Amino acid sequence: RKEVEQDPGPFNVPEGATVAFNCTYSNSASQSFFWYRQDCRKEPKLLMSVYSSGNEDGRFTAQLNRASQYISLLIRDSKLSDSATYLCVVNQKGGYQKVTFGTGTKLQVIP
Amino acid sequence: DGGITQSPKYLFRKEGQNVTLSCEQNLNHDAMYWYRQDPGQGLRLIYYSQIVNDFQKGDIAEGYSVSREKKESFPLTVTSAQKNPTAFYLCASSVPGQSNQPQHFGDGTRLSIL
Repeated sequence: RKEVEQDPGPFNVPEGATVAFNCTYSNSASQSFFWYRQDCRKEPKLLMSVYSSGNEDGRFTAQLNRASQYISLLIRDSKLSDSATYLCVVNQKGGYQKVTFGTGTKLQVIP
Repeated sequence: DGGITQSPKYLFRKEGQNVTLSCEQNLNHDAMYWYRQDPGQGLRLIYYSQIVNDFQKGDIAEGYSVSREKKESFPLTVTSAQKNPTAFYLCASSVPGQSNQPQHFGDGTRLSIL
């Protein structure tokens, strides 16, 4: 089983739609969670951290479910500019910040 | 503005040649990382360094070497021993030992074989 798993997609959604991605992780000792956005042929950029109580940033909402070991990202009112690959990132505790990246979920917002 | 600068943006390597990718950061981060990304795949860790003059192998270190002589700089050399070097190389930095701190990335170097 992969340490971090994501549905690769692509998710093709119309503008204005709400879309949600899930990401599962296998290590119950995982401490911190993030969502990154990666545009085609560009570097990953931090979208948002994921807090235990859930958090929201504009149209984006992140949730953490430790019992089931998954995190989610909800995008409301999708824009064309949201088209990208969304990477789930899991950090584990330790002297070395062990970071595991998911392979990403591709989102395509259609006019 | 603080950030991570990678150069060059595009690099071509001839057979049997070593090439060095530059990574410089002014974020005052102690930890730096090198990743490789192949098409349709996730990021794979090549090397990391938590502090100056110290570095450790990641998951795919064979055929690569690094140095960390300065806090700001973490160059990666792709040696001729790396038989499949064509990939997108990403450098990152973070505050070490704090798992709640995200990594910040440079804009990457694309390496191709001539």
